[in-house]
Amino acid sequence: SYDLTHPPSVSVSPGQTASITCSGDNLGDKFVSWFQQKPGQSPLLVIYQDLKRPSGIPERFSGSNSGNTATLTISETQALDEADYYCQAWDSSTAVFGGGTKLTVL
Amino acid sequence: EVQLVESGGGLVQPGRSLRLSCTPSGFTFADYSLSWVRQAPGKGLEWVGFIRNKPYGGATEYAASVKGRFIISRDDSKSIAYLQMDSLKTEDTAVYYCTRMTELNYNYYMDVWGKGTTVTVS
Repeated sequence: SYDLTHPPSVSVSPGQTASITCSGDNLGDKFVSWFQQKPGQSPLLVIYQDLKRPSGIPERFSGSNSGNTATLTISETQALDEADYYCQAWDSSTAVFGGGTKLTVL
Repeated sequence: EVQLVESGGGLVQPGRSLRLSCTPSGFTFADYSLSWVRQAPGKGLEWVGFIRNKPYGGATEYAASVKGRFIISRDDSKSIAYLQMDSLKTEDTAVYYCTRMTELNYNYYMDVWGKGTTVTVS
């Protein structure tokens, strides 16, 4: 089976840039989505097809994907960005999620 | 407003069955494929399976952990999708989300999520 790996946690100071990585074999050959989930809420799509932002997602959110690593970058991080973030890719008609990264803004 | 609403969750004994429903609003249900994703208490997201829309024959795919026990179906005339869960195990305890899958360049992304319905197997 295909695996996606996240760091369990990332910390960032308000106003700084947060980078959350997602690793998988030849991940750059696949399209990656990123989801934000705050406590008690449903996941929210923040990036799809590696770098596209859905309507309503701030420009502070950006994505990239190359080689074995996809990265979600949040610039000018705000307290409201504190959440769990999950990457997701498709492998042979199967959706795979990473284990999630808890972003702490402190 | 585009949204999905799940229903049918509850407490069920191991080995029993449960059927979840997913009802959409704000978009043409028949035009989209749908996935079910679950989240066990305190854990991450786990894909359960999906059902394609009619142009793709309504084909289904499942995660290995539920294959042979869960069945996803849809009734486009009623704009509703189902997740039939049989032979339930305690490890199936989770919040179950219905998600809309939008296709772009032969690739799907899950752009709309319901609020979820809780299934407890105990």
